[in-house]
Amino acid sequence: EVQLVESGGGLVQPGGSLRLSCAASGFTVSSNYMSWVRQAPGKGLEWVSVIYSGGSTYYADSVKGRFTISRDNSKNTLYLQMNSLRAEDTAVYYCAREGYDSRGATDYWGQGTLVTVSS
Amino acid sequence: QSALTQPASVSGSPGQSITISCTGTSSDVGGYNYVSWYQQHPGKAPKLMIYDVSNRPSGVSNRFSGSKSGNTASLTISGLQAEDEADYYCSSYTSSSTLVFGTGTKVTVL
Repeated sequence: EVQLVESGGGLVQPGGSLRLSCAASGFTVSSNYMSWVRQAPGKGLEWVSVIYSGGSTYYADSVKGRFTISRDNSKNTLYLQMNSLRAEDTAVYYCAREGYDSRGATDYWGQGTLVTVSS
Repeated sequence: QSALTQPASVSGSPGQSITISCTGTSSDVGGYNYVSWYQQHPGKAPKLMIYDVSNRPSGVSNRFSGSKSGNTASLTISGLQAEDEADYYCSSYTSSSTLVFGTGTKVTVL
């Protein structure tokens, strides 16, 4: 059974850093395109970043230069390192797997982890 | 990376059909057949309903269908049921190798 379990969220001050983790089971992270998607309270979905199976990474303009997506193949885990956090980064962060040999067809999602940026 | 445009709300009575539009540009919706649709109930993670414009994942009701014309994609829900009341989001691959979501549509079953 495919499962994605995020962790690492919490309260952080503006300008601070946080690293989110997403532990996967039932499939191999390194063989799939893996994304982070966030949702601010009461708002819509916002795509954040993707890492391809080949290792290429892409970011939304809103986080480029501040966030870094990575994976640990030995732990089958996806990460999102978030630096220089701003109030507008407050959101539930979901990790997700792209499937169906397509782009953007996110077939499995984690339960989400809440990041709150506030002083 | 502007969000794709969706109507804020759509409503219908049980048994009716409704259509949600998703308008982008030639750099996203119009340029690729990589449009997906998601259903999200309050407090839950999104669920994939349609991928590659018109394909349904296994287990998704055939009451859900997708299409695309030019820069606008559409999701149609036929035989509307109470459980269909949720938020719906489209997404598209873009020419920058990124993804972009729509603004979201709240579906209300009257």
